[in-house]
Amino acid sequence: DGGITQSPKYLFRKEGQNVTLSCEQNLNHDAMYWYRQDPGQGLRLIYYSQIVNDFQKGDIAEGYSVSREKKESFPLTVTSAQKNPTAFYLCASSSVEAGHYGYTFGSGTRLTVV
Amino acid sequence: AQTVTQSQPEMSVQEAETVTLSCTYDTSENNYYLFWYKQPPSRQMILVIRQEAYKQQNATENRFSVNFQKAAKSFSLKISDSQLGDTAMYFCAFMRYNNNDMRFGAGTRLTVKP
Repeated sequence: DGGITQSPKYLFRKEGQNVTLSCEQNLNHDAMYWYRQDPGQGLRLIYYSQIVNDFQKGDIAEGYSVSREKKESFPLTVTSAQKNPTAFYLCASSSVEAGHYGYTFGSGTRLTVV
Repeated sequence: AQTVTQSQPEMSVQEAETVTLSCTYDTSENNYYLFWYKQPPSRQMILVIRQEAYKQQNATENRFSVNFQKAAKSFSLKISDSQLGDTAMYFCAFMRYNNNDMRFGAGTRLTVKP
């Protein structure tokens, strides 16, 4: 079955550490996205990529980094510069030509700073 | 930048009754797309319904329908014959034409009571 897989489901980070969240899709989608979800704030766009080896900052990119070396993969690194990283992170993908039909979302990663 | 506002943080409805969730948005664009997503306790995002701004006819998907008022920049979701499984967070989202990044409202938590 085609879909989008995020791992791990739960992740704990010590202060000052970098951590990487994985996002893989087998839908042959060109575009991939990372959102952060906090209570009462909905989903906020961190980064997105519409083609391999290219990506753009979203509304809250500070303290995060991404790469897009393969079409199927769009990992997100939460760096030590991100002062409040505890949140729920959602990855999504879409066809560039048909993105207006909506996104396919992963099941999310819950990141907690300990 | 486009903004999406959901003014009802929480709502409740009795099973089998009808409920309407509100959404307003701000844009200077003429062509765009609007979406309602459902996020149940599993936190998996599920597309409920979508509307193309250039279509005057309101979208309908089974028990879910929208009231799209383009001049008022309003996009409300009506759920008829509410079921216990409709209990979830509901997010309104906006996407510009020819631009695939989506902007979300803060969400409305809907509880269906037996």
